Amino acid sequence: EIVLTQSPATLSLSPGERATLSCRASQSLSTYLAWYQQKPGQAPRLLIYDASKRATGVPARFSGSGSGTDFTLTISSLEPEDYAVYYCQQRGHWPPLFGPGTKVDIK
Amino acid sequence: QVRLQESSPGLVKPSQTLSLTCTVSGGSISSGGYYWSWIRQHPGKGLEWIGSIHYSGNTYYNSSLKSRVTISGDTSKNQFSLRLSSVTAADTAVYYCARAPGEIWFGQLLSYFDYWGQGTLVTVSS
Repeated sequence: EIVLTQSPATLSLSPGERATLSCRASQSLSTYLAWYQQKPGQAPRLLIYDASKRATGVPARFSGSGSGTDFTLTISSLEPEDYAVYYCQQRGHWPPLFGPGTKVDIK
Repeated sequence: QVRLQESSPGLVKPSQTLSLTCTVSGGSISSGGYYWSWIRQHPGKGLEWIGSIHYSGNTYYNSSLKSRVTISGDTSKNQFSLRLSSVTAADTAVYYCARAPGEIWFGQLLSYFDYWGQGTLVTVSS
């Protein structure tokens, strides 16, 4: 079964800074990777799918890149509402699988 | 705007069956191309896909839970349901229902999840 690894586990940044989150897969996913944002007490929200496509209503400061086994979610300038846990999820292989998450907190 | 809402059984005793229903509004579960799904999140942990159903009745389950899971749909009520049998404390989690705009590849569902319910905490305890 495929394994997803996210790094770092925690990212401490100040508002306005750039956030770079990594997701690495144990097998090639082509571009079949999504990113979700989850705030405390809320359901995950789909941000990015197919590695780089923004979901409906997602601000342009969120961007995704990568292919194969290495993927990146970038938040160009952190807003107060962006502090959350971010999960990657692959749909390139069965079963659909989520990574362990990266927490972005306030420095 | 599609909205999903889970029922909330709250507390289930060990060895019993957990039952949840998801009510969908703003869209029909009979819409082709979508798979209606259950995902859970153990306290403080990551996300685990449980299984999905298509309005045709076809179901797809995570092999880790397949022996205990049944997902069914009721198109007349625009609802779909989860039954998880023989529960233990390890099944304590927040359970989410979600929509999956996926595809079937060699008989298996491959998908992201674009709309989610708010989630409901199910605690397994005597």
